[in-house]
Amino acid sequence: AQSVAQPEDQVNVAEGNPLTVKCTYSVSGNPYLFWYVQYPNRGLQFLLKYITGDNLVKGSYGFEAEFNKSQTSFHLKKPSALVSDSALYFCAVRDDRGFKTIFGAGTRLFVKA
Amino acid sequence: GAVVSQHPSWVICKSGTSVKIECRSLDFQATTMFWYRQFPKQSLMLMATSNEGSKATYEQGVEKDKFLINHASLTLSTLTVTSAHPEDSSFYICSVNPYEQYFGPGTRLTVT
Repeated sequence: AQSVAQPEDQVNVAEGNPLTVKCTYSVSGNPYLFWYVQYPNRGLQFLLKYITGDNLVKGSYGFEAEFNKSQTSFHLKKPSALVSDSALYFCAVRDDRGFKTIFGAGTRLFVKA
Repeated sequence: GAVVSQHPSWVICKSGTSVKIECRSLDFQATTMFWYRQFPKQSLMLMATSNEGSKATYEQGVEKDKFLINHASLTLSTLTVTSAHPEDSSFYICSVNPYEQYFGPGTRLTVT
């Protein structure tokens, strides 16, 4: 069965500092991995995905994520956080044999000026 | 990416009534759409996969007779919450594309 874990309910970062939002996963087949962001009173927006290829994936708004197969992780990173990055971030996974996507519980990111 | 709209964005209904939520894919022909439910401060729970021209596939624990899904065209899927109860109050979100999903803005349902 597929599962996604986001171990941190909340991450606090000072503006200008690097940020990391953690995600680990479990799937039966090859993983398709995604990060989404949800701003207050707005729908979810796609940030980036890993399907195959380079382990470091670059996405929207300067975010990137690193796929680590041995650690079954797909942590979201950004070199320099902005106050406007404050939002709710979801990691999601599905395997290569189906359409069903499983979402993590979400991590709320607070970036302080 | 695909643009997805939902209507209404917010609805209040009385207990026992039914509510229909529309999900439209504005620039993407979607043979499959997904319906999620999001509780406050919680993750998205996949309710069902809507299949154009055929029956929806419901996740375990989701009552198909309560949450009626119709996917009549490649651009429209509807979710009808029948005989709504206060515990059905939630944020309902649809999405398209089985790969990177594109989400509608969501519909907040409040049942009084």
